[in-house]
Amino acid sequence: SQTIHQWPATLVQPVGSPLSLECTVEGTSNPNLYWYRQAAGRGLQLLFYSVGIGQISSEVPQNLSASRPQDRQFILSSKKLLLSDSGFYLCAWSPRLTDTQYFGPGTRLTVL
Amino acid sequence: SQQGEEDPQALSIQEGENATMNCSYKTSINNLQWYRQNSGRGLVHLILIRSNEREKHSGRLRVTLDTSKKSSSLLITASRAADTASYFCATEDSSYKLIFGSGTRLLVRP
Repeated sequence: SQTIHQWPATLVQPVGSPLSLECTVEGTSNPNLYWYRQAAGRGLQLLFYSVGIGQISSEVPQNLSASRPQDRQFILSSKKLLLSDSGFYLCAWSPRLTDTQYFGPGTRLTVL
Repeated sequence: SQQGEEDPQALSIQEGENATMNCSYKTSINNLQWYRQNSGRGLVHLILIRSNEREKHSGRLRVTLDTSKKSSSLLITASRAADTASYFCATEDSSYKLIFGSGTRLLVRP
């Protein structure tokens, strides 16, 4: 069966510090991968998605970037965090573009 | 941009009652999906209904889709305290991306 992992679970970072959040998927190959951000009490905002290694699509201009160095690894990064980067970050995968998405447990990021 | 918008934003019911949540959207869709999120956790997929389907069931869940009105509803029958969570609809458009609504917070009182 397939599983998706995210770490860390929680993170508190000062403004201006770098960020690296990691997401890995097990039990499948060539998944579509997604990064979402969820503000408190709100829905999910799609940040990036990837249909293959090195293929990243950005949905909104922002202070973040994403990379997919391996088939089942998706990384969300920032060189300098802003206060507005605080939120709940969720990684998801799907077997095809038009299909159910399966979510990881999320990372709660607080930027102080 | 928000595609699906849930209504109501919050719902409080007694255990055993039915809970109905609605979702409206604006553009043509490939499918509409409902997800559940317990507080501080990831989302769990509940049900997917395709644009050519009108109704779908899964256990105590019933989803309807009216593409002429661009709306969907999620019915949870015989609710339980464990159903307390936020429920999101998500629409998939022709670009194959999911756009989530802001959710309905359901509280089921024991």
